[in-house]
This record gives sequence, structure tokens and C-alpha cells, in this order.
Amino acid sequence: NAGVTQTPKFQVLKTGQSMTLQCAQDMNHEYMSWYRQDPGMGLRLIHYSVGAGITDQGEVPNGYNVSRSTTEDFPLRLLSAAPSQTSVYFCASSYDPSRVYEQYFGPGTRLTVT
Amino acid sequence: AQTVTQSQPEMSVQEAETVTLSCTYDTSESDYYLFWYKQPPSRQMILVIRQEAYKQQNATENRFSVNFQKAAKSFSLKISDSQLGDAAMYFCAYGGAGNMLTFGGGTRLMVKP
Repeated sequence: NAGVTQTPKFQVLKTGQSMTLQCAQDMNHEYMSWYRQDPGMGLRLIHYSVGAGITDQGEVPNGYNVSRSTTEDFPLRLLSAAPSQTSVYFCASSYDPSRVYEQYFGPGTRLTVT
Repeated sequence: AQTVTQSQPEMSVQEAETVTLSCTYDTSESDYYLFWYKQPPSRQMILVIRQEAYKQQNATENRFSVNFQKAAKSFSLKISDSQLGDAAMYFCAYGGAGNMLTFGGGTRLMVKP
């Protein structure tokens, strides 16, 4: 198993550009989530999904969109990037939505918005 | 909403000695889980140890153990026989009824040879 994979590892955007951060898992996990990590802060939940076709907002959802058309993939879209979205983004997954604590994390994507 | 606080931005320990990282949390829930995650320079988030709130016995994983004080809402991590590979950011996290984890701000642990 590859576990949780994220692409790209690094990305630089200009303000106003759009892009999609990719996340995939091959463990047949129902629960998937996106976090952002800013300096001096822990991870904060952006969006999560408890299964294909079901998504919900986390703590900091503004400026981000998600969809879950398959169990394996959970892309995060930035429609119009802003410097405040400069951060490290982590995708995570869990087999059972009720056992969200057993999350497997991807390696992260470092995004810089200039 | 739950909050998690780590009051020590940085800690250092001599190799082979013991260090304790502090974490406090606030919640009105009675059933929840608490975790310590390690994040080395590679950025990978690694689960170190987990504690179920309904269990009175403190969790232990090899050199890592916790001191869980439910009434005080305190959850500290003790690392015994510290090794150079223990140097990392450590995050305390809370998992309750909602479908999310709430993380503290992290403690950077430095290990001196």
C-alpha cells in the first residue's frame, strides 16, 4: 500500500490563481480530511468527508472547496489564492468515520502564495 | 468548542535523560480521546500514543508514557531515555464526538548529545 499520497510536494502561486491539491489513499478508508499547518500553530481542519459524495466544513473552510466523487480521492481546490493561504497542507484518512482519531497522514504540500 | 493548549513552545533535554511535555485541554464532553503526534523535519505526522478518556490507566508505548489527569484536563507526555531521533515537534490533539481532531500549537523538542 502507498498509504496517503499528496501532490504536489511544493507549489508557488500568484495571488488570484487557482489550483487543486491532490490527495489519494489506497486503504479503502471512508473518512478523509484536509488540514492546514501555519507556523507556531497546530493543524487546523479545513474540510472533511465521511464517504463518497459527502463532505462537510471544518474549522477554517473559507477559500477552499472539496468534493469526494470516489472513496480514494479527495482533492482540495483553491479558487482564487490569497497570501493568507500560504501554509503546509496535510491530507489524512481513517477507515471508520467514528474512529477519526486513527488518522493516517500524507507527507504534506507546502504552498506559497505571492 | 474544544481547545488544546501547549504552554511550552520549546523544550530541550540531554540525551538519555527524561523530559515531560505539557498539554491542557478544555471540553464539556465526557467521552473523548487524547493523542500525542510527533512531526520530525520530514513533516510526516506520526502518532506516538493515544489515551481513551474512560480509561484510568495511563497509556504507555515503550519509552513514551502519559500522565492523564481527567479532572484537571491535563495530558502530559513523558519521554524516557531520550534519543537524538526524538528531536521533533510534538503536538497534543483532542478527538471527541465531532469528526475532527483539535490540535495544540506544538512543542519543539531539542535533544542535546
